[in-house]
Amino acid sequence: QQQVKQSPQSLIVQKGGISIINCAYENTAFDYFPWYQQFPGKGPALLIAIRPDVSEKKEGRFTISFNKSAKQFSLHIMDSQPGDSATYFCAARKWSNTGKLIFGQGTTLQVKP
Amino acid sequence: GAGVSQSPSNKVTEKGKDVELRCDPISGHTALYWYRQSLGQGLEFLIYFQGNSAPDKSGLPSDRFSAERTGGSVSTLTIQRTQQEDSAVYLCASISRDSDGYTFGSGTRLTVV
Repeated sequence: QQQVKQSPQSLIVQKGGISIINCAYENTAFDYFPWYQQFPGKGPALLIAIRPDVSEKKEGRFTISFNKSAKQFSLHIMDSQPGDSATYFCAARKWSNTGKLIFGQGTTLQVKP
Repeated sequence: GAGVSQSPSNKVTEKGKDVELRCDPISGHTALYWYRQSLGQGLEFLIYFQGNSAPDKSGLPSDRFSAERTGGSVSTLTIQRTQQEDSAVYLCASISRDSDGYTFGSGTRLTVV
């Protein structure tokens, strides 16, 4: 019930293409869903987050789509760039802003020029 | 400081030795978290501290692991009698009451030989 399952494990996309990463959760008490981006040698950094009162959130080229009934959410990166090459983690927690996050296993994205 | 500071950035130790990893969170952040990231894996929750409340130690993998947070600021994660399976990147994060997202440090890469 505490797991967050992420797929794919790795992804290769051509420059300008759309990168899509999916996550699924089981615990219906989760109500905060962030995505983190991690470059080699660095800690993860918050990219974008959503709460389940909306089905989509967009920030620049990054969009989260949320399907509450299916208990799934996904990250879409539009017009993918080589600089987007990184590891992406989805996460979830019960809404308490100091509650612990449960992370997915991560997706390594490579954007080819 | 401007960010979460972790030290050392790299630590090589012999099997059976004790190690201490330090985290200096952002000033004023009320909650502090430790996660472990093994090669190619997701982030595994270890422990978190929230103000003066008792820490949530539910993620510590064994009694060889312990952590403390002194004065509501700096935290030290101690691993006693290190084993090779303890080799990983140990990440610290902090969060303020006014924010949604964790701020992570760059981690300590621990190698047990």
